[in-house]
Amino acid sequence: DVKVTQSSRYLVKRTGEKVFLECVQDMDHENMFWYRQDPGLGLRLIYFSYDVKMKEKGDIPEGYSVSREKKERFSLILESASTNQTSMYLCASSFSGIGGAFFGQGTRLTVV
Amino acid sequence: AQRVTQPEKLLSVFKGAPVELKCNYSYSGSPELFWYVQYSRQRLQLLLRHISRESIKGFTADLNKGETSFHLKKPFAQEEDSAMYYCALREANTGFQKLVFGTGTRLLVSP
Repeated sequence: DVKVTQSSRYLVKRTGEKVFLECVQDMDHENMFWYRQDPGLGLRLIYFSYDVKMKEKGDIPEGYSVSREKKERFSLILESASTNQTSMYLCASSFSGIGGAFFGQGTRLTVV
Repeated sequence: AQRVTQPEKLLSVFKGAPVELKCNYSYSGSPELFWYVQYSRQRLQLLLRHISRESIKGFTADLNKGETSFHLKKPFAQEEDSAMYYCALREANTGFQKLVFGTGTRLLVSP
């Protein structure tokens, strides 16, 4: 089975803190994605990466950055957490050109 | 730009009734369409994709390029179908694999 693993299920951080969300996949997928999931807004793409050290902005990149130093790992960074970044964050990965994406279990981040 | 629209936030039906979850898309290129499902307290998972033209758990979806739609259908709903359903789109036949989702429809099947 494909595994996409996010480092934390729940996180509580203070406003202004730098936050790291980690995601690891074990299927040698080229593509990796970070989404946030909010009620009524669905999944909104923050950033995605199609190769090591390559990244593309999604629809809502403001306030976030990413890092992909190894193929299997994709990190989402909140440079200075704010309360409006309280959300469920989903990581996903996929092969290029074939098949669908596989998702992690999600990280529920609360910024207080 | 890619856009996926799911007009219904909630669809409530009785067990045994037919179900149709609507999905419309806007994209100038050649799209690849997917349906994903999220059951309570589980991770999001792929349900089906238009390329494979398969039926999964009794669900089917046909890509209608003329109407730019990819509606999900099931003739007889079951209680275990209750979940959140998302339609998604990506550009086909390229290395640019941006995957865009709709806002989702919650399906509630009552006994």
